[in-house]
Amino acid sequence: DTGVSQNPRHKITKRGQNVTFRCDPISEHNRLYWYRQTLGQGPEFLTYFQNEAQLEKSRLLSDRFSAERPKGSFSTLEIQRTEQGDSAMYLCASSGRERRQETQYFGPGTRLLVL
Amino acid sequence: RKEVEQDPGPFNVPEGATVAFNCTYSNSASQSFFWYRQDCRKEPKLLMSVYSSGNEDGRFTAQLNRASQYISLLIRDSKLSDSATYLCVVDMDSSYKLIFGSGTRLLVRP
Repeated sequence: DTGVSQNPRHKITKRGQNVTFRCDPISEHNRLYWYRQTLGQGPEFLTYFQNEAQLEKSRLLSDRFSAERPKGSFSTLEIQRTEQGDSAMYLCASSGRERRQETQYFGPGTRLLVL
Repeated sequence: RKEVEQDPGPFNVPEGATVAFNCTYSNSASQSFFWYRQDCRKEPKLLMSVYSSGNEDGRFTAQLNRASQYISLLIRDSKLSDSATYLCVVDMDSSYKLIFGSGTRLLVRP
């Protein structure tokens, strides 16, 4: 499978614990994105990388959230001191130029439940 | 006002029907537009990009009206397998940051 992969697929944690998610993009894509989706809503942008550089961060990304892409390949998203409001699906996407515009492809997501 | 607005539905239609979804966006400078499809508890998958000239892919037709700032998706000859949530997506400022609508739910019944 050469698509975007994410691990773990599901994570249950207790409030106050730290969690880390991993995303492996499509290999030839140099842009990588993180989004968060809650029930009944569309995904909301969190941050994105071009190669190893983090170029934009949403105001949704509080100081408890940190994302890295150290070698410009896979990325990690860490949430420290989790809160119940962090429960959501965390989606990773990567993009490359196709025909006339940049197109993002999503991984299967990591579903987080904070108890 | 939300940056991308869609009717949440659900649209409940019989197999074979034609159904149309509209979406409006707030930033007149937006350059890239997409429709994604999302099945229950799955990731969004690109259905089609939307170009100024309009584009068609089999039973699906997408149109862009820049003057009115809306995007449409037409599905002809609906199949049971078309049942899903359809997300209208806009790249507001060519920053690669996609803004998603909340989605329109489609149910196709036998």
